[in-house]
Amino acid sequence: DAGITQSPRHKVTETGTPVTLRCHQTENHRYMYWYRQDPGHGLRLIHYSYGVKDTDKGEVSDGYSVSRSKTEDFLLTLESATSSQTSVYFCAISRNQGSYGYTFGSGTRLTVV
Amino acid sequence: AQKITQTQPGMFVQEKEAVTLDCTYDTSDPSYGLFWYKQPSSGEMIFLIYQGSYDQQNATEGRYSLNFQKARKSANLVISASQLGDSAMYFCAMRGADDAGGTSYGKLTFGQGTILTVHP
Repeated sequence: DAGITQSPRHKVTETGTPVTLRCHQTENHRYMYWYRQDPGHGLRLIHYSYGVKDTDKGEVSDGYSVSRSKTEDFLLTLESATSSQTSVYFCAISRNQGSYGYTFGSGTRLTVV
Repeated sequence: AQKITQTQPGMFVQEKEAVTLDCTYDTSDPSYGLFWYKQPSSGEMIFLIYQGSYDQQNATEGRYSLNFQKARKSANLVISASQLGDSAMYFCAMRGADDAGGTSYGKLTFGQGTILTVHP
């Protein structure tokens, strides 16, 4: 069983609409992250969380908000989607310890038309 | 600020040959970790190998090894005996301290990636 799941896997939405992506983990990890992947940019950090209700901005946070009301769930919201937010979004979890890096979700392909 | 640079957008290798994927990094942290991930065409991210900044020996995991040159700030991935299934995007990433006090929230900074194509 996957320790981390993202939903939805694919979504097409219209410009100006709000969108929420969900990340759910069963590993009880403290740290959770949202990244976006774009050609030529690798993965860039949007927001991260280091505990329930403890979140902070990453490198490309404009236009995004997050919430973490439970250890297992980390939600990413696009308040008013724009075409520049068309991307593949990855959630990741971490123990932030030694050689343990990230366990990634399967990704969400979001298209804003 | 931490920075990872992968200067090879694409690499080609013949099956069964070895290939080196380059990664250089920039950080002022004395303690950091370096990671390599593989992303096949299916899109999943797969952890390959880890090197700690204080590790004396280069990391190895099966056919993967990390050529760690600390003074040069490079952490190149070496894949020996390439297989067709190695064709994928490869990302180098670094974890370091997130504030002057050395606190880490485990954030990884990624390079731009290198697309490896293995020819039969």
